[in-house]
Amino acid sequence: EAQVTQNPRYLITVTGKKLTVTCSQNMNHEYMSWYRQDPGLGLRQIYYSMNVEVTDKGDVPEGYKVSRKEKRNFPLILESPSPNQTSLYFCASSGRVGNQPQHFGDGTRLSIL
Amino acid sequence: AQSVSQHNHHVILSEAASLELGCNYSYGGTVNLFWYVQYPGQHLQLLLKYFSGDPLVKGIKGFEAEFIKSKFSFNLRKPSVQWSDTAEYFCAVNAGYGNKLVFGAGTILRVKS
Repeated sequence: EAQVTQNPRYLITVTGKKLTVTCSQNMNHEYMSWYRQDPGLGLRQIYYSMNVEVTDKGDVPEGYKVSRKEKRNFPLILESPSPNQTSLYFCASSGRVGNQPQHFGDGTRLSIL
Repeated sequence: AQSVSQHNHHVILSEAASLELGCNYSYGGTVNLFWYVQYPGQHLQLLLKYFSGDPLVKGIKGFEAEFIKSKFSFNLRKPSVQWSDTAEYFCAVNAGYGNKLVFGAGTILRVKS
């Protein structure tokens, strides 16, 4: 079954404690992306990756890092989380061409206290 | 910069009422257009997409959307809504580099039974 898998699904943590949200896809997609969803703002792109070792900033990259060492994995790293990063996070993947729809993971709800 | 506007943030309808959700985008070139749906507690799922050809596209669950290039619009419609259509609906546009999606803020639809 085609899937984008995120872990953890829920996390409550404290300011400054480094955390990583993992994302893995089994569709051999080149393109992967991270979004955050906040009420009234829709989804905003944090980072994206066009392929292995190719990553770039989205619209709201501050406070986040990513890496793409393997095609299937695209972890999101918060080196020093702050309360304004409390949000619902989605990972997505698709083929490289722009007219291909993105497949989304189930989401990770992060609460930074 | 590209932007996507969804006209209504909250819509409440009774079952069997007709639905139209507005979406306008700002980009003058070729675009790929999508509507995604997010049921409570779930990830985003693709409802329908427009790449080229017939500007009236049909998606899943009886939804359709019409691309009007002169108005930069891609409105979502359904002739008769059901309680199970209660969800948040996002319009998204891909234009330019790679597979970046720009999302609207979302419209929360509540259907009363």
